Amino acid sequence: DVKVTQSSRYLVKRTGEKVFLECVQDMDHENMFWYRQDPGLGLRLIYFSYDVKMKEKGDIPEGYSVSREKKERFSLILESASTNQTSMYLCASSFRSAATNEKLFFGSGTQLSVL
Amino acid sequence: RKEVEQDPGPFNVPEGATVAFNCTYSNSASQSFFWYRQDCRKEPKLLMSVYSSGNEDGRFTAQLNRASQYISLLIRDSKLSDSATYLCVVKWGWETSGSRLTFGEGTQLTVNP
Repeated sequence: DVKVTQSSRYLVKRTGEKVFLECVQDMDHENMFWYRQDPGLGLRLIYFSYDVKMKEKGDIPEGYSVSREKKERFSLILESASTNQTSMYLCASSFRSAATNEKLFFGSGTQLSVL
Repeated sequence: RKEVEQDPGPFNVPEGATVAFNCTYSNSASQSFFWYRQDCRKEPKLLMSVYSSGNEDGRFTAQLNRASQYISLLIRDSKLSDSATYLCVVKWGWETSGSRLTFGEGTQLTVNP
């Protein structure tokens, strides 16, 4: 079974802190994604990466950065956490090929609270 | 206007009922369409793809109308285990630069005994 592992299930941080959310997948997927999910807004794409050291902005990249130094790992960074970044963060991965890249495999999520 | 719009519900139906969810999308260049399912406090998982000719998987039937930019999901003979949030998902972009999926807000379904 494909496994996408997020480092923390729950995280509490203070305003202004630098926050790292880590995601690791074990299926050699080329594509990796970071979403946030909020009530009434659904899942929104923050950043994605289709190869090592490559990154693309999603719909809401402001206040975030990412790092993809290795194929299996995709990190989301909040440079200076703010209360409006309190959310459920979901990492996902998929193959790049046209036939299979519609199936995203998600991690179990990190519920981040910024106080 | 949202790229993918769904009726958020909630839909409350008795076991055995037939229920239909609708979804519209705004990007006419969208290439592929899917329904994902998300159980409470869990991650989303792919339920089924949606093909132009319509497709069926057991009790689930998906339809696509490209002209109207409309997608539907029909669940027949609802089971208690069908209770979940159903997410309409649209894919666009290029394989070489990274295609992406856009999710609707989701429609919440509760099947009651």
